[in-house]
Amino acid sequence: EVLLVESGGGLVQPGGSLRLSCADSGFAFSSYWMHWVRQPPGTGLEWVSRMNEDGRVTDYADSVKGRFTISRDNAKNTLYLQMNRLRVEDTAVYYCARDLSGRMDSWGLGTPVTVS
Amino acid sequence: DIVMTQSPLSLPVTPGEPASISCRSSRSLLHRNGKTFFAWYLQRPGQSPQVLIYLGSHRASGVPDRFSGSESGTDFTLKISRVEAEDVGIYYCMQGLETPYTFGQGTKLEIK
Repeated sequence: EVLLVESGGGLVQPGGSLRLSCADSGFAFSSYWMHWVRQPPGTGLEWVSRMNEDGRVTDYADSVKGRFTISRDNAKNTLYLQMNRLRVEDTAVYYCARDLSGRMDSWGLGTPVTVS
Repeated sequence: DIVMTQSPLSLPVTPGEPASISCRSSRSLLHRNGKTFFAWYLQRPGQSPQVLIYLGSHRASGVPDRFSGSESGTDFTLKISRVEAEDVGIYYCMQGLETPYTFGQGTKLEIK
């Protein structure tokens, strides 16, 4: 069973930074694209970013482009999201998810980020 | 960006009765490889989302067969043949054809 565990969330002031981590349980992490998806309080899901297997291809939502950076360390089976210049509207639960043939088939429990 | 529009946004259902949720994409989700990059997710209260249907109509592993997905052009439908109490939650459609991936607004299914 795939197990993804996010960490690094918390309370930060506007303009501050946070680094989220997503550790996997060893499901051949290096073989999959990975995503970050967020969910603001009481609202729906918003895709944030994705990275390919070897880290050479990245994509971002316009709302975070230039402020957030996705990365991965396949030796540590860990995905990261460096979030800089945080805004109040970045407040959300952040999930990491594995991509399998066009669907996000495994999700973490999420880590909450509050910008206030 | 591809816009995903769901309906209804609220769906009260009696247990044992069928339910249907629709999702329309603003553009075709058919990739040149012949696959349709569309999925349905369920987010139960207090839980992370889980995939139900992928590539338009393929049921994900472990998903009960009372769930089915269909597609017709840019229109997608999720059907639950007989709703059970554990089906309560918010259902989202999502396109994974191109970035930014986009989700529908969500449909809240509740038990009458």
